[in-house]
Amino acid sequence: TQLLEQSPQFLSIQEGENLTVYCNSSSVFSSLQWYRQEPGEGPVLLVTVVTGGEVKKLKRLTFQFGDARKDSSLHITAAQPGDTGLYLCADNSLNTGNQFYFGTGTSLTVIP
Amino acid sequence: DAGVIQSPRHEVTEMGQEVTLRCKPISGHDYLFWYRQTMMRGLELLIYFNNNVPIDDSGMPEDRFSAKMPNASFSTLKIQPSEPRDSAVYFCASRPRQGVTGELFFGEGSRLTVL
Repeated sequence: TQLLEQSPQFLSIQEGENLTVYCNSSSVFSSLQWYRQEPGEGPVLLVTVVTGGEVKKLKRLTFQFGDARKDSSLHITAAQPGDTGLYLCADNSLNTGNQFYFGTGTSLTVIP
Repeated sequence: DAGVIQSPRHEVTEMGQEVTLRCKPISGHDYLFWYRQTMMRGLELLIYFNNNVPIDDSGMPEDRFSAKMPNASFSTLKIQPSEPRDSAVYFCASRPRQGVTGELFFGEGSRLTVL
């Protein structure tokens, strides 16, 4: 089982601030996904990263995949209350036989 | 498409009772996953199916848990007998066959409370 550690576990910031959350693995990802989960709902996919060093942007969200494909970061610029939620990274590696393991999650609260 | 549909949304039961959670995946999706989410342990994979066949049930906590997928449009997760430590939100998710984006589509979850 691949272990996915996310940090920080909890984050509370003011609207307009920037933040970065991290996902680290005990082994190499083939590809990695980031999901966001809002209270009372299931996780929803934000992005999939595949290539080491890859950077993807989704409006104010910037996702980076480490060169060695063992870590990833999610940076949010000018956070808004609507960004509040649980951010989860997931191993989409075919090497794990499609088990789709999730990280421990970062719970983000953006205060208006 | 209506998305992944789970029922019930909320269930409160007493220790020792049987609990059955239900899931209807997105039509055409070949994979179905059952997860359990708690504050302490996060989102844990319990079991997944490919084309209605259970592929990996190593995450099922113990023999009290069982899952079935009698056809491509329906799956159940059963707990018998239930215990207070089974209290959690149970999610069902489906995805298209390998080779596509690999995105998991989740239901809204079933919140189980065992008293």
